[in-house]
Amino acid sequence: RKEVEQDPGPFNVPEGATVAFNCTYSNSASQSFFWYRQDCRKEPKLLMSVYSSGNEDGRFTAQLNRASQYISLLIRDSKLSDSATYLCVVNHNTGNQFYFGTGTSLTVIP
Amino acid sequence: GAVVSQHPSWVICKSGTSVKIECRSLDFQATTMFWYRQFPKQSLMLMATSNEGSKATYEQGVEKDKFLINHASLTLSTLTVTSAHPEDSSFYICSARSWGTSYEQYFGPGTRLTVT
Repeated sequence: RKEVEQDPGPFNVPEGATVAFNCTYSNSASQSFFWYRQDCRKEPKLLMSVYSSGNEDGRFTAQLNRASQYISLLIRDSKLSDSATYLCVVNHNTGNQFYFGTGTSLTVIP
Repeated sequence: GAVVSQHPSWVICKSGTSVKIECRSLDFQATTMFWYRQFPKQSLMLMATSNEGSKATYEQGVEKDKFLINHASLTLSTLTVTSAHPEDSSFYICSARSWGTSYEQYFGPGTRLTVT
């Protein structure tokens, strides 16, 4: 079983729509969780860390469900500029083990 | 946020030659740097983890004699692809993690290597 699994999509949504991605992880000892955004042929950029209580940054909301071992990312009022691949990243308690999902592709359509 | 640079951003080399890629943390000290490889339409694959002043830890299946990693200072790590072959053509990305309890890592812009 993969450490981190994501639905690769693609998700094609109209501008203004709300879209949600889920990511499951297999190791219950995982400690830290992140969402990264990667544009085509570019490096991943940190979008947001995911905290136990959930956290929000503008139009983006991240949630963590430890019992079911998944994290989610909700994007409200989608913009064209949100089109990218969203990577789920999980870190184990040793600090240096990061596991990446394969990414979920999002295209926001005018 | 923290800035990581990579050099070169794009390189073409002939089969059999060696290529060195530099990764620098510009505004913070990176205790740990990671090297990834990404093939088209695939996720990042961790190649190795390097801590300043010590030998790198390579992931299973990554040849340490082919991918030489040096992390001589808190701001610089290098990856040398030795005797490059066309199948080594890929997007190589480094990332760095700073001191402290935050486990966030910051990525360099990547180096696109093409071996002819």
